[in-house]
Amino acid sequence: QSVLTQPPSVSAAPGQKVTISCSGSSSNIGNDYVSWYQHLPGTAPKLLIYEDDKRPSGIPDRFSGSRSGTSATLDITGLRTGDEADYYCGTWDVNLRAGVFGGGTKLTVL
Amino acid sequence: QVTLKESGPVVVKPTETLTLTCTVSGFSLSNVRMGVSWVRQPPGKALEWLAHILPHDGISYSPSLKSRLSISKEISKSQVVLTMTNMGPVDTATYYCARTVEYYYYMDVWGAGTTVTVSS
Repeated sequence: QSVLTQPPSVSAAPGQKVTISCSGSSSNIGNDYVSWYQHLPGTAPKLLIYEDDKRPSGIPDRFSGSRSGTSATLDITGLRTGDEADYYCGTWDVNLRAGVFGGGTKLTVL
Repeated sequence: QVTLKESGPVVVKPTETLTLTCTVSGFSLSNVRMGVSWVRQPPGKALEWLAHILPHDGISYSPSLKSRLSISKEISKSQVVLTMTNMGPVDTATYYCARTVEYYYYMDVWGAGTTVTVSS
């Protein structure tokens, strides 16, 4: 049971937009920045978004993030088949004094 | 170029202690803004944060595993070591180390991971 809640799966057609939600509480998302990671099986997770809405160098602007209250979202526009992966949100929980992740969302590009 | 590489045993027996080493390059473990986290992923399951060692924030552990984990660093060797005692089948997973930014806690560069199987 993950501390942060994500939908298990989302899907959309190529070229469309998808939104992945991440729900937490006042001790985690409500208190600290959220980051998002893309994970393809057998590879290292990749940082997509940090500090809620910043993109590392090399991450296209098709990926965007936001945070409001105790929830965060990752938007992916102009979907490509290469975007098929598992996506995780993460943050710090001040009560647990630990990092926390969501349960992951599997993106299927139909 | 920043890289991290995990190393350790492929198989450990139940009740044994696992020792994993993360060797970093391209940044120093004495950096005032950067540290290292360990994360694992059991087969078919989600990422699970295990521990970090940061310059100012220091050391933190997953509450559920705190009694079994120990993390340390050797700056001169550019290595961070994670030990986990009393390994069991549920600890079978791919273990990752990742560079972590102090205060913001995001992991910007990850190692490729090392798979550990707990089996007698």
